[in-house]
Amino acid sequence: NAGVMQNPRHLVRRRGQEARLRCSPMKGHSHVYWYRQLPEEGLKFMVYLQKENIIDESGMPKERFSAEFPKEGPSILRIQQVVRGDSAAYFCASSPSTEDYEQYFGPGTRLTVT
Amino acid sequence: GDSVTQMEGPVTLSEEAFLTINCTYTATGYPSLFWYVQYPGEGLQLLLKATKADDKGSNKGFEATYRKETTSFHLEKGSVQVSDSAVYFCALSDPGAGSYQLTFGKGTKLSVIP
Repeated sequence: NAGVMQNPRHLVRRRGQEARLRCSPMKGHSHVYWYRQLPEEGLKFMVYLQKENIIDESGMPKERFSAEFPKEGPSILRIQQVVRGDSAAYFCASSPSTEDYEQYFGPGTRLTVT
Repeated sequence: GDSVTQMEGPVTLSEEAFLTINCTYTATGYPSLFWYVQYPGEGLQLLLKATKADDKGSNKGFEATYRKETTSFHLEKGSVQVSDSAVYFCALSDPGAGSYQLTFGKGTKLSVIP
C-alpha cells in the first residue's frame, strides 16, 4: 500500500517563475492537507481540501498561492511569481475521513528560489 | 487560537539515557494530541497519539500521557538509541471545534551519541 507521494522532491525556481507541487494521497484517502516548513521552524498549516472542494484555506497567503484537488489526479499547490521567502519544504498529508482524521505525511518537496 | 509549545533543542544524550521532551498546549476545545518524528531528509511519521484526557500513547518505547490539568503531553523514553536521533514535533488537532488541521510546536532536535 503506497504512502503519500509527492513530486518533485526538489524544485529550483528563479524569482518570478511558477512552482507546481504535486501530492497523491494514500489510496482510499479523500482529504488532503498542505503544510509549509520554514528553516528551523515547525510546520505551518496552509490549506485543507477534499475532492473538488477547498474546506479551509485560512493558512494560505492571500496572493500568489492556490491549491486544488480535482476529481481525478493529484492535489496541486501552485505558487506564482515565486520570491526567495517561498523557499521552504512543503509537505502534503492525507487522511481517510473526518471521523478518522489521523494524517499521513508525504516526504515533502523542497523548494529553492534563486 | 490553538498553540503548542515544546522544549527547545538541540538535545544531546548518550545511548541508554532517559529522554524527556516537554510539550504544553493551548486549545479552545478538547484536542487530540500527537507526537511526530522527522528523520533527516524525510517527511513526518506519526509516533504516538492520545485523543482524550489521561490517555497514554505509546510506540517503540516512547510514551506520552495526555494531562488535561496541566495541558501537557510530555514525550518520554527510558533508554534512547542512536537510531532515535531525529527531530520530534508535538502537535494537536481540535476536530470538536471543527478544526482538522494540525498545529505544531517548533520541534526538538535529538542527537544520541554512542
